[in-house]
Amino acid sequence: QVLLVETGGGVVQPGRSLRLSCATSGFTFTTYGLHWVRQAPGKGLEWVAIIWHDGSKGYYADSVKGRFTISRDNSRNTVFLQMNSLRAEDTATYYCARDDGLNPTYWGQGTLVTVSS
Amino acid sequence: QSALTQPASVSGSPGQSITISCTGTSSDVGGYNHVSWYQQHPGKAPKFIIYDVSNRPSGVSNRFSGSKSGNTASLTISGLQAEDEADYYCSSYTSSTTWVFGGGTKLTVL
Repeated sequence: QVLLVETGGGVVQPGRSLRLSCATSGFTFTTYGLHWVRQAPGKGLEWVAIIWHDGSKGYYADSVKGRFTISRDNSRNTVFLQMNSLRAEDTATYYCARDDGLNPTYWGQGTLVTVSS
Repeated sequence: QSALTQPASVSGSPGQSITISCTGTSSDVGGYNHVSWYQQHPGKAPKFIIYDVSNRPSGVSNRFSGSKSGNTASLTISGLQAEDEADYYCSSYTSSTTWVFGGGTKLTVL
């Protein structure tokens, strides 16, 4: 079965960095793009980034462009989100999701990032 | 990219049908058939229930259906059940090669 497991969340000070990981199983990793989507506490969903199946392209929301970088390791079936210059407004649960024909479909359980001094 | 517009809340009685709208622009909902819907119960991850406007993944009840007209997509839930009480979100691919979500709709089963 399709499984995505996010790790790497925690409490970090403003201006610092954090790297999230999303380990996947149950499907042919190299066939699919992967998204990151976040949800601030008590708020709605916000799309963050996508990386194509072959890692050739990454696209970002304006709110994180220039600060966040999405990457993938096809040998480890894992996608990453490097988050730099973190701000209080980046506090959220971060989900990774598989892309199926330009639709985010299967989601992980999420990992919580708290940006606070 | 502005969020898609959804009603903040809808409600219905068991057995009834409800429809949740999701309004965007010609650069997202109106321009592409890559509209998805998600169900999220409190404290849980979102679960996709509709993709490409009207397709249901395997295992999702046929009580859930999706449609689109112009810049507005819709999710209809028929034969409401208590377990349908949750938050619902729409999303759409956009012309900027980004995705945008709706603000979410809280469904209350009376």
